[in-house]
Amino acid sequence: SQTIHQWPATLVQPVGSPLSLECTVEGTSNPNLYWYRQAAGRGLQLLFYSVGIGQISSEVPQNLSASRPQDRQFILSSKKLLLSDSGFYLCAWSTRPVSSYNSPLHFGNGTRLTVT
Amino acid sequence: GQQLNQSPQSMFIQEGEDVSMNCTSSSIFNTWLWYKQDPGEGPVLLIALYKAGELTSNGRLTAQFGITRKDSFLNISASIPSDVGIYFCAGQERNNNDMRFGAGTRLTVKP
Repeated sequence: SQTIHQWPATLVQPVGSPLSLECTVEGTSNPNLYWYRQAAGRGLQLLFYSVGIGQISSEVPQNLSASRPQDRQFILSSKKLLLSDSGFYLCAWSTRPVSSYNSPLHFGNGTRLTVT
Repeated sequence: GQQLNQSPQSMFIQEGEDVSMNCTSSSIFNTWLWYKQDPGEGPVLLIALYKAGELTSNGRLTAQFGITRKDSFLNISASIPSDVGIYFCAGQERNNNDMRFGAGTRLTVKP
């Protein structure tokens, strides 16, 4: 069965420090991978998605970047964190669309980032 | 950003009552999904809908894919305390690789 791992679970970082959040998926090949951010008490905002190694689509211009160095690894980074980067970051995966049918997203347990 | 309008934003109900929430979109969607999120965890898929008019049940949960393909609803019957959480709708356009989410419905169930 497929599993998704996301770490760390919580992180407190000072403003201006770098960030690296990692997500890995097991039990599937060639997944679509996603990074979402959820502000407190709000919905999910898509940040990045990737359909393959080295292929990154950005939804929102911002202080963050994403990379996919391996098929089942997705990394969210920042060179210098801002206070506004605080939030709950969720990694997700889905299988590639087959014909016209899309696959549901499956989420990790998230990383709670607090920038101080 | 979000392109789905989900309502209501929050609900406070008594245990045993039925719940209904819905989502509308300005776009035609090929897929509608409903998720539940418990505090501090990632959303978990409840129901996936792939055809206009499709009505699908998962235990006490029932969801429908609207005929216009621009809306969906989720019903929860005979609510129980563990139904507490945030429910999200999500939609995906045909052959699109990203999924759009509603803002969520926060459900509180009073014993």
